[in-house]
Amino acid sequence: AQSVTQLGSHVSVSEGALVLLRCNYSSSVPPYLFWYVQYPNQGLQLLLKYTTGATLVKGINGFEAEFKKSETSFHLTKPSAHMSDAAEYFCAVRLSGNTPLVFGKGTRLSVIA
Amino acid sequence: NAGVTQTPKFQVLKTGQSMTLQCAQDMNHNSMYWYRQDPGMGLRLIYYSASEGTTDKGEVPNGYNVSRLNKREFSLRLESAAPSQTSVYFCASSDGQAGNTIYFGEGSWLTVV
Repeated sequence: AQSVTQLGSHVSVSEGALVLLRCNYSSSVPPYLFWYVQYPNQGLQLLLKYTTGATLVKGINGFEAEFKKSETSFHLTKPSAHMSDAAEYFCAVRLSGNTPLVFGKGTRLSVIA
Repeated sequence: NAGVTQTPKFQVLKTGQSMTLQCAQDMNHNSMYWYRQDPGMGLRLIYYSASEGTTDKGEVPNGYNVSRLNKREFSLRLESAAPSQTSVYFCASSDGQAGNTIYFGEGSWLTVV
């Protein structure tokens, strides 16, 4: 069965600093990988996803993630944090077809002025 | 385009009461899902429906039932609510292709007292 581990339940960065949110997965087959963002009291919005092809994936709001098969990782980065990036971020994995997403436990990002 | 619509948004129940959370999607998706979100636990799958007429248990199905009423609608029922079911519930849908996005509703906040 697949699983997702997000290292760090809470990450705090200064405005303008690099954002790095870590995600590792376990899967017996090549997975499809997703990052979602959740703003307070809202639903989940897709940031980016990896399906096939280019391993560096660009998403909305300046975020990107790189799929590294050898490290079973899909870390999320943004070069310069903005106050509006403060939210909870979820990494998720899906194997194929109609199988549901399996989520990590989430990382809350705080941005300090 | 409404996407995934959940009702009610907020509900307070007494222990032992029953209720149904309603979910409808207007994207002609085959697959629908119910997740619950608890602090520090991420999103956990309760039930899903890969296609109209089918339902399957997820990670935490105990105490819940579901009905895939038609292609658009997927309801979640709590027959005898317990305080442990206090949570935020999210409905989601997708077209069944593994690399495609799963879309989420805005959430339903349920408190059982």
